[in-house]
Amino acid sequence: DAEITQSPRHKITETGRQVTLACHQTWNHNNMFWYRQDLGHGLRLIHYSYGVHDTNKGEVSDGYSVSRSNTEDLPLTLESAASSQTSVYFCASSGDRTETQYFGPGTRLLVL
Amino acid sequence: DQQVKQNSPSLSVQEGRISILNCDYTNSMFDYFLWYKKYPAEGPTFLISISSIKDKNEDGRFTVFLNKSAKHLSLHIVPSQPGDSAVYFCAASALGQGGSEKLVFGKGTKLTVNP
Repeated sequence: DAEITQSPRHKITETGRQVTLACHQTWNHNNMFWYRQDLGHGLRLIHYSYGVHDTNKGEVSDGYSVSRSNTEDLPLTLESAASSQTSVYFCASSGDRTETQYFGPGTRLLVL
Repeated sequence: DQQVKQNSPSLSVQEGRISILNCDYTNSMFDYFLWYKKYPAEGPTFLISISSIKDKNEDGRFTVFLNKSAKHLSLHIVPSQPGDSAVYFCAASALGQGGSEKLVFGKGTKLTVNP
């Protein structure tokens, strides 16, 4: 069955370190998204991509970057982790503009 | 500036009764609305959606109502079941604006259905 996976599921890192969160989908979806979920804020869009080599900034993109070298993967990089980036991160994908987004299981990140 | 608002952080109902979750939006360009359900330690899962050309959409026990003039939508769950206990997120997008698929989410409402 097609799916969307995220790794790692849990990560502890130190302030200032570079961290990369992986997202992989097997639906061959063009659109991929990264969100963070924080108490009191719901889900906020970090970055998104509409296809290979396309990336766009979302609402809360500062301190994060993404690259899209193939259809299946959209890794999220925290250039220099900060305690404010402690959060749960969700990746999502969709096929076209009429389809809903399907979410991965999430990565819980703790920055100490 | 919150474009999608869910003003009730939590809601508690008895099993078998109706659950009504509310959502308001401010951006008049939104033309597609969705509800997602989220259990702890899992990703959100799609529940039901509605296009702005409709005012109602049903799927089994779930019905979404859209009032465009009031910029308000609601999710009705009838009858409510304990397994419906979860956080419900309202989301909106402006598909008409150059085909944007970006979703804007509300903060969520935690529904508890008591046996």
